[in-house]
Amino acid sequence: SAVISQKPSRDICQRGTSLTIQCQVDSQVTMMFWYRQQPGQSLTLIATANQGSEATYESGFVIDKFPISRPNLTFSTLTVSNMSPEDSSIYLCSVEGQGRYYGYTFGSGTRLTVV
Amino acid sequence: DAKTTQPTSMDCAEGRAANLPCNHSTISGNEYVYWYRQIHSQGPQYIIHGLKNNETNEMASLIITEDRKSSTLILPHATLRDTAVYYCIVGRSSNTGKLIFGQGTTLQVKP
Repeated sequence: SAVISQKPSRDICQRGTSLTIQCQVDSQVTMMFWYRQQPGQSLTLIATANQGSEATYESGFVIDKFPISRPNLTFSTLTVSNMSPEDSSIYLCSVEGQGRYYGYTFGSGTRLTVV
Repeated sequence: DAKTTQPTSMDCAEGRAANLPCNHSTISGNEYVYWYRQIHSQGPQYIIHGLKNNETNEMASLIITEDRKSSTLILPHATLRDTAVYYCIVGRSSNTGKLIFGQGTTLQVKP
């Protein structure tokens, strides 16, 4: 299965600032997914990022708040803009499986605290 | 995508089989059943998936009822390291498309 490197692993940020999270995959993948996990909650899909096209956002998430880049088949970034304490969460990227018997692979996540 | 219903929490004795149920009564013919787990502070880990037939791998077994409206994940010999939140997810195709997570089942394996 694919190996994902996600950076940073954690950060503490001031409200009103922005943070860009990077997701690097060791193989080419068509789709990459960004999730948010608020404290004590399950994962919520933010958007799906395909290379060469704009990301598709889920209900409740907008591009101005969570701009996504997907410059090639192995890399993507998620920016959390104009942060508030409510944005304190774990953000995870995920990629599709690499074959019939492999599920989706998830990064280890970015733990964001906004103060 | 079909929704799933899982118990909020379960306990299991170490060394015994853990049987985690999932209801997905609105599943459609081309949707797969996926199981993932999330150990504290880590990203979700793929366990197993299936369409119609029962499946087994080195981690677990997946039993899908004939009408496909429910399934059971079986960890044959649970260990303390299996303590995690287990998510049952229904999604289209095999390894394509987005995964929508429910609340999952918190499995506590006890000595």
